[in-house]
Amino acid sequence: NAGVTQTPKFQVLKTGQSMTLQCAQDMNHNSMYWYRQDPGMGLRLIYYSASEGTTDKGEVPNGYNVSRLNKREFSLRLESAAPSQTSVYFCASSVSREGQETQYFGPGTRLLVL
Amino acid sequence: AQSVSQHNHHVILSEAASLELGCNYSYGGTVNLFWYVQYPGQHLQLLLKYFSGDPLVKGIKGFEAEFIKSKFSFNLRKPSVQWSDTAEYFCAFRNTGGFKTIFGAGTRLFVKA
Repeated sequence: NAGVTQTPKFQVLKTGQSMTLQCAQDMNHNSMYWYRQDPGMGLRLIYYSASEGTTDKGEVPNGYNVSRLNKREFSLRLESAAPSQTSVYFCASSVSREGQETQYFGPGTRLLVL
Repeated sequence: AQSVSQHNHHVILSEAASLELGCNYSYGGTVNLFWYVQYPGQHLQLLLKYFSGDPLVKGIKGFEAEFIKSKFSFNLRKPSVQWSDTAEYFCAFRNTGGFKTIFGAGTRLFVKA
């Protein structure tokens, strides 16, 4: 199993450009998440998808959109990038059994917006 | 609001020293608790987790954590750290009725060889 994979690993954008971050998991997990990690702030939830076909906003959804393409894939789109979106983005997936849920993380995408 | 507080942002230890990283959460109900580790340049990996039962939880690489419900705490400990433990450590919790996992700001540990 590859676990959770993310592409690209690095990206540099100019303000106003758009891009899509890709995430895929091969663990047959129902739930998937997008976080951003900023120094001194830990991980903040952008969007999540409890199951295929559903998405919900997290703590910091402004400026982002998501698509749960199928059970495996969950993409994050920046329509018009801003310097404040410079961050490391992590995708995660999880499965819940009897109320017990553990998240597994991808390797991250480092995004720099100039 | 639900939140996690990690007491130290940076910790510097010498090899073989003992480690304790503090973590407190704010939520009055039943929780699942986690410690994740992020080695330099890598993604988050699960170190240990508590769901129920024995409040003293043992994880990988000699780490353990103790859930003290009355103190809303889940401190991470290791008796003797190694240089390879240099990493950032994140405490997190999820209320069992909810869906979101709340992360702390992280503690950067540097172990001197």
